[in-house]
Amino acid sequence: AQKITQTQPGMFVQEKEAVTLDCTYDTSDQSYGLFWYKQPSSGEMIFLIYQGSYDEQNATEGRYSLNFQKARKSANLVISASQLGDSAMYFCAMREGSNFNKFYFGSGTKLNVKP
Amino acid sequence: GAVVSQHPSRVICKSGTSVKIECRSLDFQATTMFWYRQFPKQSLMLMATSNEGSKATYEQGVEKDKFLINHASLTLSTLTVTSAHPEDSSFYICSAIETGGRNQPQHFGDGTRLSIL
Repeated sequence: AQKITQTQPGMFVQEKEAVTLDCTYDTSDQSYGLFWYKQPSSGEMIFLIYQGSYDEQNATEGRYSLNFQKARKSANLVISASQLGDSAMYFCAMREGSNFNKFYFGSGTKLNVKP
Repeated sequence: GAVVSQHPSRVICKSGTSVKIECRSLDFQATTMFWYRQFPKQSLMLMATSNEGSKATYEQGVEKDKFLINHASLTLSTLTVTSAHPEDSSFYICSAIETGGRNQPQHFGDGTRLSIL
């Protein structure tokens, strides 16, 4: 089974609108971390936001928020007030393992923000 | 924030050449570094996990003799693509993690675009 599933290969959003990028995960660990990264066309991987499995509140970082639904094992990224510079690939990732040294990435979602 | 420097950013060389890529954590100690390969429009493919002072752990299907990894210090890991051929052309990206718990993200270098002619 896939550890991280991103079902949206591509998404379009109008500038200034909000968009949700889906991510579901699979783990039997009780303690794990969930991350979202942005990869622009230049290639670098930019860390956006983190959610811990024991965190009761959804993580927020500026225009980014994480809709964490533990029972459903989903960790969707919400980008509010989209900007043209948000156009990029977005990867969901999970960290687990006895030493938290196992990382898994989803297949990514290509977000295009339209002016 | 934690910074990872990867060098070189781009390499173009002839078939049969060996290419070394460096990954440095600039402001933190990284006991573990990761090496990924990424094909166009695809996700990151983990090649190996590099632990300081010990042999790297390679993922299934990755040739150890082809992709030599050395993690000689807490701030430096190197990937050497030996006798590179056109099929080795790809985007290679490293990452490092600080010691700690599940809340530590991977910090990525900016990647290396390798083109073998």
